[in-house]
Amino acid sequence: EDKVVQSPLSLVVHEGDTVTLNCSYEVTNFRSLLWYKQEKKAPTFLFMLTSSGIEKKSGRLSSILDKKELFSILNITATQTGDSAVYLCAVTLTSNTGNQFYFGTGTSLTVIP
Amino acid sequence: EAGVVQSPRYKIIEKKQPVAFWCNPISGHNTLYWYRQNLGQGPELLIRYENEEAVDDSQLPKDRFSAERLKGVDSTLKIQPAELGDSAVYLCASSPGADYQETQYFGPGTRLLVL
Repeated sequence: EDKVVQSPLSLVVHEGDTVTLNCSYEVTNFRSLLWYKQEKKAPTFLFMLTSSGIEKKSGRLSSILDKKELFSILNITATQTGDSAVYLCAVTLTSNTGNQFYFGTGTSLTVIP
Repeated sequence: EAGVVQSPRYKIIEKKQPVAFWCNPISGHNTLYWYRQNLGQGPELLIRYENEEAVDDSQLPKDRFSAERLKGVDSTLKIQPAELGDSAVYLCASSPGADYQETQYFGPGTRLLVL
């Protein structure tokens, strides 16, 4: 059965800390891995990763994919209270009906001043 | 550009009652998704539409859930009758089409509470 596992489940850090969130997957017909940020509303898209070893960056956030070891990490440097959210990892795979999405349970990040 | 619109934002009903959710995707987006998200869990896909065709409804509990996307634009998701375990946030998302399916844009969700 296809699955996506995120760790840790929750994390509490102080402002300015650097955090690393993990996402591992076991799926067939892998197409891409996506990271989302979810505050008290709908998930917002952060990154899409399809190739191993190529880092995606956006400000203080960065992410990389390892297709051999089947995992991805999301790094946040110099964390701010506004980074507090649930970070969701999703994997898409190809099927005969198009792309399928599988989400992990998320990592809840709390940044305290 | 207007985002994905969902209504209502909140709904409280008694068990065995029917309920319907409405979604208006981003203009021009051919692909529409309905997800259910339970507390502390990631979203779970219920159904995916390509235009007006439901191409993946394998996770939709068909005994009580139904969905439609007439004319390939707006969509409604219905539960009849609702059960206590249906309490969750129902998210709608859209994407431009087959080549950009990974880029999903989510609506604010409808939070359903079944008493």
